[in-house]
Amino acid sequence: DIQMTQSPSSLSASVGDRVTITCRASQSISSYLNWYQQKPGEAPKVLIYAASSLQSGVPSRFSGSGSRTDFTLTINNLQPEDSATYYCQQRGTFGQGTKVEIK
Amino acid sequence: EVQLVESGGGLVQPGGSLRLSCAASGFTFSSYSMNWVRQAPGKGLEWVSYISSSSSTIYYADSVKGRFTISRDNAKNSLYLQMNSLRDEDTAVYYCARDRRRSSSNWFDPWGQGTLVTVSS
Repeated sequence: DIQMTQSPSSLSASVGDRVTITCRASQSISSYLNWYQQKPGEAPKVLIYAASSLQSGVPSRFSGSGSRTDFTLTINNLQPEDSATYYCQQRGTFGQGTKVEIK
Repeated sequence: EVQLVESGGGLVQPGGSLRLSCAASGFTFSSYSMNWVRQAPGKGLEWVSYISSSSSTIYYADSVKGRFTISRDNAKNSLYLQMNSLRDEDTAVYYCARDRRRSSSNWFDPWGQGTLVTVSS
């Protein structure tokens, strides 16, 4: 089975910062990697699919990149409402999550 | 508006059974594959099961194989998860999620609000 490893597990950043979260696959998964945002008490929602495609309605400060084994979710100009846990996903496997807190 | 609404969660004793339902609206349910994903309290997301649009293809996570059964009724726009031989570690919020696909890439969108299953004596 393919393992997905996210880093860091948590981070704290200020409003306006650029935040980068990485997801590494244990073997090549081409561009089959998606990113989700989950706020406390809410269901997850997709932000990025197929590594770099922005889901409709998601602010353009979110972007995804990468291929094969290494992927990145970038949040530019971090906003207070971006405080959440972010997960990568490939088929039936999720990363362990990255909790983003606002300083 | 595309909407998924889960129901059927609750408190059940270890070894017991429970059936979850997911009512879909706002899209052509019969055209989409569906999934169940769960989240134990304070933990991450775990995919549980997948069913294709016609029910011809079904997959389960190893952790539930042989105990859980996914099914759907396209005439009723509904997805189900029959959970038997429940264990403490099955305690979680269970989400249904529509499967989206492009070539060999799949993602889950949207998700329902979730239903809590608590397995405890």
